Amino acid sequence: SQQGEEDPQALSIQEGENATMNCSYKTSINNLQWYRQNSGRGLVHLILIRSNEREKHSGRLRVTLDTSKKSSSLLITASRAADTASYFCATDEVNNNDMRFGAGTRLTVKP
Amino acid sequence: EPEVTQTPSHQVTQMGQEVILRCVPISNHLYFYWYRQILGQKVEFLVSFYNNEISEKSEIFDDQFSVERPDGSNFTLKIRSTKLEDSAMYFCASRLTGAYNQPQHFGDGTRLSIL
Repeated sequence: SQQGEEDPQALSIQEGENATMNCSYKTSINNLQWYRQNSGRGLVHLILIRSNEREKHSGRLRVTLDTSKKSSSLLITASRAADTASYFCATDEVNNNDMRFGAGTRLTVKP
Repeated sequence: EPEVTQTPSHQVTQMGQEVILRCVPISNHLYFYWYRQILGQKVEFLVSFYNNEISEKSEIFDDQFSVERPDGSNFTLKIRSTKLEDSAMYFCASRLTGAYNQPQHFGDGTRLSIL
């Protein structure tokens, strides 16, 4: 089954604006992680939020988790052109030793 | 900062041939994973490996695939009798422990092109 569906699929903003990406999932999770992928490159881990946490910050990143709605959001504040990349959420499911990725949000930050 | 390294970065192989994709996980990590990403699609889990055995595998990971940790540092994915649809980016990942606050760390991937 699909897990970790992001929206929007694509987002284009001006430098300095905030970018918000959302992720929904279907099953019970241990944690939810956000990754970034530059074109043709590997996945860079950004932030992990555990199922008993509601909000987490790391620099310009803010992640929220609502387990009742099975959803998460990633906010990037004061975006920069270098933030242009694809962003994926991935869920670490209860009773599974794997992660399920969404299709990602392609973020373009225009200088 | 320690990294997961993968070789080669790009592998071109004739259909029907066997390929071995190599990964060196972060040295003190105990859990290892392979994922694939077909161009333009989502990252898909293939297999997880712990304590020298497969702990979980997806429906994609059929008899065509195998994994091995031949020594203390390498973690390999072998694909036998490759098909055109095996063309994808293959990512290796490692994780320190199975604890819920531990992220997976990914390599830069191997782009596999089957001709």
